[in-house]
Amino acid sequence: AQRVTQPEKLLSVFKGAPVELKCNYSYSGSPELFWYVQYSRQRLQLLLRHISRESIKGFTADLNKGETSFHLKKPFAQEEDSAMYYCALSLYSGGGADGLTFGKGTHLIIQP
Amino acid sequence: GAGVSQSPRYKVAKRGQDVALRCDPISGHVSLFWYQQALGQGPEFLTYFQNEAQLDKSGLPSDRFFAERPEGSVSTLKIQRTQQEDSAVYLCASSLALGGASYNEQFFGPGTRLTVL
Repeated sequence: AQRVTQPEKLLSVFKGAPVELKCNYSYSGSPELFWYVQYSRQRLQLLLRHISRESIKGFTADLNKGETSFHLKKPFAQEEDSAMYYCALSLYSGGGADGLTFGKGTHLIIQP
Repeated sequence: GAGVSQSPRYKVAKRGQDVALRCDPISGHVSLFWYQQALGQGPEFLTYFQNEAQLDKSGLPSDRFFAERPEGSVSTLKIQRTQQEDSAVYLCASSLALGGASYNEQFFGPGTRLTVL
């Protein structure tokens, strides 16, 4: 069965410092990977997906199939980045027609 | 437009009671998903509908859990004879998806927090 691992429950960095949230997955096929974010008192929302290869709010994530990783990075953290971040995996291209497999999440705190 | 809505937002049940949780997806969204999120954990997939058809219920933890979407729109997740381990946030998500290569984002509701005493 597929699995998503986020090794850090909590990550605290200072404003302006680089951020890297780790995500590793296990699946023998070619999944689609996502990062979801949940800001305080808001609902879970999509941040970015690996296929689009885009930067959202300064965040990027590269899929490394050799290391089965999909780490989320931002060069200069901002206080508004403080939130829960979940890495998720979809078995099928499209990501909307099957249930997602989520990691346990990383709570990112940006200190002023 | 309105996003995914869920009701009630909070539910307290005594052990052994039955509960029903409602999800109103975004209008026109074909696919609907239920997830269970225990405290300190990520969401875990429960079941998936495409229109009124329940295509995957592999994540339902026991036969006490039952979901339906009779008209392909609103969905209800029912839990019979609730147990303390059922305490969690239940999330509903919907998407336009019919599968295939084109991307269809899952949009999440605010969740229903169920506490079983």
